[in-house]
Amino acid sequence: DIVMTQSPDSLAVSLGERATINCRSSQTVLYSSNKKNYLAWYQQKPGQPPKLLISWASTRESGVPDRFSGSGSGTDFTLTISSLQAEDVAVYYCQQHYGTPLTFGGGTKVEIK
Amino acid sequence: QVQLQQWGAGLLKPSETLSLTCGVYGGSFSGYYWNWIRQSPGKGLEWIGDINNSGSTNYNPSLKSRVTISVDTSKNQFSLKLRSVTAADTAVYYCAKPNTMTSTYYYMDVWGKGTTVTVSS
Repeated sequence: DIVMTQSPDSLAVSLGERATINCRSSQTVLYSSNKKNYLAWYQQKPGQPPKLLISWASTRESGVPDRFSGSGSGTDFTLTISSLQAEDVAVYYCQQHYGTPLTFGGGTKVEIK
Repeated sequence: QVQLQQWGAGLLKPSETLSLTCGVYGGSFSGYYWNWIRQSPGKGLEWIGDINNSGSTNYNPSLKSRVTISVDTSKNQFSLKLRSVTAADTAVYYCAKPNTMTSTYYYMDVWGKGTTVTVSS
């Protein structure tokens, strides 16, 4: 299985400040034939299912604010919230879809400082 | 826009069989691999398996011996059965739609609301 490791487990950021979440895979999720990273990011608020934010490591889904951005390639990825808003308080997960079984990171809880 | 509605028993005793169903509304059912995913405090998000409209399945090896996913194409529904449950199977269970029909390696772009399943004697 491809193990997804997120860091930190939690972070507290002031409103308007930057939040950075890391995700590392135990093997590459970059598919050489199409140069795509098979890595997605989700946001989960209490009592709700995960919501897709970013696909292919860096493609924002329709309707997702542009303060959310994804970067990275191969085994190391980052989700950045450029200016944290109150509504961004949530747990964020990465997921690889390069291999089976599909696997998720352990989550990063983002709170307001 | 596809919507997923799920239902099933929420309280089970050890050794019983978990049974959940997910209905797909408002979009295409054929061609996708429909998923079950669970989320527990101890193990986070765990992919259980998937099924397409032809009944072809893929299972997580960690659960394969106890899981059966089935499909009813006449009702646009798919179901999960997990046998011999223990407290470790206590979790929120989600059904989910993949982003693509063209691959078995995908992310989820639509999720059901989740069903809380508690296993307790």
